[in-house]
Amino acid sequence: GNSVTQMEGPVTLSEEAFLTINCTYTATGYPSLFWYVQYPGEGLQLLLKATKADDKGSNKGFEATYRKETTSFHLEKGSVQVSDSAVYFCALIPQGGSEKLVFGKGTKLTVNP
Amino acid sequence: EPEVTQTPSHQVTQMGQEVILRCVPISNHLYFYWYRQILGQKVEFLVSFYNNEISEKSEIFDDQFSVERPDGSNFTLKIRSTKLEDSAMYFCASSFVEGGDAFFGQGTRLTVV
Repeated sequence: GNSVTQMEGPVTLSEEAFLTINCTYTATGYPSLFWYVQYPGEGLQLLLKATKADDKGSNKGFEATYRKETTSFHLEKGSVQVSDSAVYFCALIPQGGSEKLVFGKGTKLTVNP
Repeated sequence: EPEVTQTPSHQVTQMGQEVILRCVPISNHLYFYWYRQILGQKVEFLVSFYNNEISEKSEIFDDQFSVERPDGSNFTLKIRSTKLEDSAMYFCASSFVEGGDAFFGQGTRLTVV
């Protein structure tokens, strides 16, 4: 079946550190891939997405590249800020007709000043 | 910016009671979803709704669950007879197109005692 595995948290970094949150997936064909972010007290917000292999999604300094060969979609940011503290969810929509998002467990990021 | 709103933010109910969770999707969206997240676990798809009927549902969405769009703006999830294991954060989402960018509400935390 379809599934998403992302690195266990929590992750704690100092401001301006480099961030990587690993995400790998299991799915047939070419799913669409997403990163969602949940800030404290808020709902899930779409951060970035990629819909085909080798596409790079980017937003707010975050990037992730759709790697079909390694079935990965790792989230990166070169210099994190305190305001990036949140829970990050990797997700996919399977290819071909399903509407549902399949989520990973989420990774809590805390950035200290 | 348009947003999905959910009420209440937190609901406590006794086991066996009926609960209705309410959502107001973004006004021009056509596809509506419910997801849930049990504490410490993944965000799980429950059901999708389009054109006034269920278009997809998961194994979790059994006869105890129902959804309704009673008017042009609200989208509700009803649990007929709550169980302890229904305790979770319930997220409503909507999108304009099938499989498109889903916008999530801030969630309703349901606690069954």
